Amino acid sequence: AQTVTQSQPEMSVQEAETVTLSCTYDTSESDYYLFWYKQPPSRQMILVIRQEAYKQQNATENRFSVNFQKAAKSFSLKISDSQLGDAAMYFCAYRTIYGSSNTGKLIFGQGTTLQVKP
Amino acid sequence: KAGVTQTPRYLIKTRGQQVTLSCSPISGHRSVSWYQQTPGQGLQFLFEYFSETQRNKGNFPGRFSGRQFSNSRSEMNVSTLELGDSALYLCASSPRGRPGPYNEQFFGPGTRLTVL
Repeated sequence: AQTVTQSQPEMSVQEAETVTLSCTYDTSESDYYLFWYKQPPSRQMILVIRQEAYKQQNATENRFSVNFQKAAKSFSLKISDSQLGDAAMYFCAYRTIYGSSNTGKLIFGQGTTLQVKP
Repeated sequence: KAGVTQTPRYLIKTRGQQVTLSCSPISGHRSVSWYQQTPGQGLQFLFEYFSETQRNKGNFPGRFSGRQFSNSRSEMNVSTLELGDSALYLCASSPRGRPGPYNEQFFGPGTRLTVL
């Protein structure tokens, strides 16, 4: 079974600085999807960035980028130029690509609460 | 386009009661998944529905059940509530029923269930 681990329960960053959130996962599959989701205090979960395991290039979305190390099963999220609105809980998630019965199942890490200091 | 909606947003029940939560997916989305979020266990997958059929189920007791209607709206039901069922229940919809890089899940705001 796949597992996702986020070892940093809490992180803080100064506004305008850069922070990296860590995520490791375990799987025996060769292809899969990885995601970072953001859950602000209002609780609506939104997708920040996605990575397809068969793509070697790290995904980037504006100030958000990932460092995907497939061999090490590591998937960290870097937030550049941090803003107050980035304060939230961040979840790393895994989704298999195999089997039509597994399309909706996301496996989440425990989450990292990010505090942004003005 | 309206997002995923969940009703009610807050619910208080007592042990032994049953509860039904509702989820309306984004228009055109056919897949609905449910998750339970608690401080101790984090986010755990409950089940997924596509075209009115349950396609996948997480490791939860039979007290947790769900269904999906022809308009893709979904309900989940918890019978004989226990204190440990207190949680935020999240619903997510996605356009298609098969894996794909852009078949992402869009989450609703959740229903906060408190069991006394």
